Amino acid sequence: TQLLEQSPQFLSIQEGENLTVYCNSSSVFSSLQWYRQEPGEGPVLLVTVVTGGEVKKLKRLTFQFGDARKDSSLHITAAQPGDTGLYLCAGAGQELNKLVFGAGTILRVKS
Amino acid sequence: GAGVSQTPSNKVTEKGKYVELRCDPISGHTALYWYRQSLGQGPEFLIYFQGTGAADDSGLPNDRFFAVRPEGSVSTLKIQRTERGDSAVYLCASSLWWNTEAFFGQGTRLTVV
Repeated sequence: TQLLEQSPQFLSIQEGENLTVYCNSSSVFSSLQWYRQEPGEGPVLLVTVVTGGEVKKLKRLTFQFGDARKDSSLHITAAQPGDTGLYLCAGAGQELNKLVFGAGTILRVKS
Repeated sequence: GAGVSQTPSNKVTEKGKYVELRCDPISGHTALYWYRQSLGQGPEFLIYFQGTGAADDSGLPNDRFFAVRPEGSVSTLKIQRTERGDSAVYLCASSLWWNTEAFFGQGTRLTVV
């Protein structure tokens, strides 16, 4: 069974601080996706990384896929209250959308 | 609307009853997925349709769960003899093809009392 462990489970920070969320597994994935989910809504895709060592930037968010394609990180610079939400990582094998999700990191950014 | 639509938004049912959850995918999307998200957890894969056929139903927890997509568009997830442990948010997602970005609906919150 493939498992993805996310850490931390919960993060509460002040506006303007930086943070990193980690996603680790003992399994190799063909690709890894990061989602953000708000209460009462479905997850919304932020990024897909497919190459070991790949780094993608989306404004203040930086995503990295580990060289061995077993782990990933999400770094947010100068967090804002609008970043508040549940961040989920999800790994895929050959089928892109048959995903194994981590339990998520709840981020709260206080103004 | 242009997104994935799920109905009802909330469903409360008594233990032992039968429920149906509906998913209207984005028009033209050939692939459709059902996931289940329990409180404090990430979504868990249930079943995946490519067109009308279930391409992969390996995530269905037992034979009380069944899903159909008879015309390759709308899908219905059916749960027989519901149990309290079935309480969760049931998410549906669709994608244009099997290997393109999937878009999730807002989910149906099922509560079995």
